[in-house]
Order: sequence, then C-alpha cells, then structure tokens
Amino acid sequence: QVQLVESGGGVVQPGRSLRLSCAASGFTFSSYTMHWVRQAPGKGLEWVTIISFDGRNKYYADSVKGRFTISRDKSKNTLYLQMNSLRAEDTAVYFCARARPEYYYGSGSYYDYWGQGTLVTVSS
Amino acid sequence: DIVMTQTPLSLSVTPGQPASISCKSSQSLLHSDGKTYLYWYLQKPGQSPQLLIYEVSNRFSGVPDRFSGSGSGTDFTLKISRVEAEDVGIYYCMQSIQLPITFGQGTRLEIK
Repeated sequence: QVQLVESGGGVVQPGRSLRLSCAASGFTFSSYTMHWVRQAPGKGLEWVTIISFDGRNKYYADSVKGRFTISRDKSKNTLYLQMNSLRAEDTAVYFCARARPEYYYGSGSYYDYWGQGTLVTVSS
Repeated sequence: DIVMTQTPLSLSVTPGQPASISCKSSQSLLHSDGKTYLYWYLQKPGQSPQLLIYEVSNRFSGVPDRFSGSGSGTDFTLKISRVEAEDVGIYYCMQSIQLPITFGQGTRLEIK
C-alpha cells in the first residue's frame, strides 16, 4: 500500500536550517510529481513547493522562494525539503503529498495520498 | 494567485440532514483542455487531508455517494445529502489550474 512518512521536524531557532524527509513506499516513486504542503497551528492548508517526477522542474511559493529547496532521490525513494533562514511564520506541520496523474507535471494534478506530517517549530 | 473563498466557515448539522459548502474562485478554473480543476478535501481531526471529489464532480475511490460536487467556472458546491457523525472535520476546496496551488480557508463541519 502507498505510504508517505515524513521526518526531520523539530524545534529550531530563527535563522537556522532544517531538512525534512519524506520516505515513499508502495509505489514507483520516480513516476510521480511530489509536493510539500504546510499547515500552521490551527490554520488552513498552504501549498509550499512542487518537484516533477523526473526532478527537472520545481516551483515554490513566494513565501519560501530563495530559502527552501525541494529535491528527490530516486535511489532512496525519498523526497526532501531543505529549509534555510527559517522564520517564526514557517512554524507548521509539513505534509508531503503524491500528485496524480503519473508522469505528469502541470495543470490539473491533485493529491491522492498524503503523509501524516511533521511539525516544525521556529522559536528562540 | 487564484483566491479561493469558502462559505460558510463553519456548519453545525444534525445527523441525517443535508449540508452544503460553497467555494468561489477569483478566476475561472476551466482549462483549455475542457476540464475544470477544482477539488474537495476533508481533513478529519488529527488526520491528513483526504480527497473527496476531483474535477468538480467525480468522487474519489471509496468516497460515499452521499458526497457530491457541482459547479462550473468560478462557482462550486460540495453537498452532503445526509450528514453522518464520521463527516466531522474541515472541508477544503483546492484549485490546480495554475501554480501556486491554492486552497480555500476551510469549512468546519460539526455535528449537533
């Protein structure tokens, strides 16, 4: 069965860095575009970033552009989110999500599986 | 960016009664390919979001038929024909016609 398991969250001081991981299993990881979506405590869903199935295309929300980097490792079936220069407003649960359809990057994709999320708290 | 506006922001419904949530987008979600890229998700308490409806009106695998979606262009509706206790949570509409993907603010459904 499809599983997405995030890890790497924790408490970090403003200005510091953190790397999140999302371990994928139960499907052909290299066939799917992947996203990160976050949710601040008690708030709604905010899209963060996308990486195409082949890793060639990436796009970021303005709120994280220049600070966050998405990547993937096909050999490890793992998605990453490198977060630098963290701010208090980055405090959130970070979800990785698989996008359908397969081998697709563009309009009209949607999430059929989500991880359980990992909490990032940025605080001094 | 496309702004998604949901109403109401909260609902309290008696089991067995219907419920309806509206979602309006700031731009048309009708793509040149003829599809409309509007989706509905439910986030149950303490869980990740789960897909209910894709492309306006198609129920995702395993979603009960009491859930239905309708609409076109910029105006969309999610209806629950008979609310059950397990339907509690926050409902989000989402658009993916263009990046960045954006979500509505969410509608919290409670049971009376």
